[in-house]
Amino acid sequence: GAGVSQSPSNKVTEKGKDVELRCDPISGHTALYWYRQSLGQGLEFLIYFQGNSAPDKSGLPSDRFSAERTGGSVSTLTIQRTQQEDSAVYLCASSRGDASNQPQHFGDGTRLSIL
Amino acid sequence: GNSVTQMEGPVTLSEEAFLTINCTYTATGYPSLFWYVQYPGEGLQLLLKATKADDKGSNKGFEATYRKETTSFHLEKGSVQVSDSAVYFCALSDYGFNKFYFGSGTKLNVKP
Repeated sequence: GAGVSQSPSNKVTEKGKDVELRCDPISGHTALYWYRQSLGQGLEFLIYFQGNSAPDKSGLPSDRFSAERTGGSVSTLTIQRTQQEDSAVYLCASSRGDASNQPQHFGDGTRLSIL
Repeated sequence: GNSVTQMEGPVTLSEEAFLTINCTYTATGYPSLFWYVQYPGEGLQLLLKATKADDKGSNKGFEATYRKETTSFHLEKGSVQVSDSAVYFCALSDYGFNKFYFGSGTKLNVKP
């Protein structure tokens, strides 16, 4: 597609359930980022993938959060045993290389609501 | 550590007014600085950037100068338009550009 695609656009689930959020980056983009935006807050960095290198997971808030990127393309962010504080918009971005020279292209996000 | 603080909104201006949105940062090392914009119903997109001290980023009539002495990267525009109504995010990236740190966003409303 022309842009970064995220699915689902909205997800409502019960506390304690696991959720999977998907990100399809722009074709050819080697860098992929996940962010979380809580209500009224800025974007919080979660994880960064660059090519085949080991991801930078330093932003993941707890061990309930994990992410993978298969074949250097599609990425899945998984939240296990969801809590109400996990409610937020989860944004994915990709860029052609490192973001020093190339802009990040953002998806529209997944709005996650934990009941 | 690294962090970004930007002025709270919303900011409401009349068309053709002068705009300043303040952004200050705390960083270790030599960060690059960015402004991103999110128009209603659209995703975040890069507005401008500056990669070293005294650099000026500019785009669409917006400007911001990387001021190391005041650790600031204020966004300015001389004459805003209704179409500039959006949420503006200041951000920095650390050396190596792996991580980005975003401010909380400032909503701008421009009235005709």
